[in-house]
Amino acid sequence: EVQLVESGGGLVKPGGSLRLSCAASGFTFSSYTMNWVRQAPGKGLEWVSSISSSGAYIYYADSVMGRFTISRDNAKNSLYLQMDSLRAEDTAVYYCAGERRDCNSANCYSIFDYWGQGTLVTVSS
Amino acid sequence: DIQLTQSPSFLSASVGDRVTITCRASQGISSYLAWYQQKPGKAPKVLIYAASTLQSGVPSRFSGSGSGTEFTLTISSLQPEDFATYYCQQLDSYPLTFGGGTKVEIK
Repeated sequence: EVQLVESGGGLVKPGGSLRLSCAASGFTFSSYTMNWVRQAPGKGLEWVSSISSSGAYIYYADSVMGRFTISRDNAKNSLYLQMDSLRAEDTAVYYCAGERRDCNSANCYSIFDYWGQGTLVTVSS
Repeated sequence: DIQLTQSPSFLSASVGDRVTITCRASQGISSYLAWYQQKPGKAPKVLIYAASTLQSGVPSRFSGSGSGTEFTLTISSLQPEDFATYYCQQLDSYPLTFGGGTKVEIK
């Protein structure tokens, strides 16, 4: 059974830091691009960051660039998100999501196949 | 950045109704579009990818179409378990983006 289990969320003051973790099991973690997606209370989904299977390619949303750092440890089947200089607008449920590629003769398509249950980050004084 | 505009943002429908949700991209994204369903307190679940490919295990009443800048998600006969919020997502280029969502409620 595929499982993604996030941890590390909680209450933090503006300007503070938090490190989220995502423990993966039930699939070949080292073959998957991994992502963080967040959802502010009552709002829609926002992609935050992606890291390729080897860790060689990393991308961030403009809203977190320079403040958040994504990383992974394939030996531990784990994904991380270091969040620094936190702001009130970073308050959200943070999901980790595994991205599969489905290729035909012409193209490859990405699918956010696997999702964790989410961890809540609250930034407030 | 590629913006995705979903319409409507809210719709009220009855069991058995045919429902169509539209997603428009601010620039062409070929078929690099996915649709997700999210229920309250739960993680999103992928329904459709590559604009029209049904994810394994998803009921055939769900279908997707379109390419370029205009896409649709259709539920052919709405079931009680389909009342949820639906999001489109473009995977053509970074930053990846989601549409604003369409909440489907019971009439």
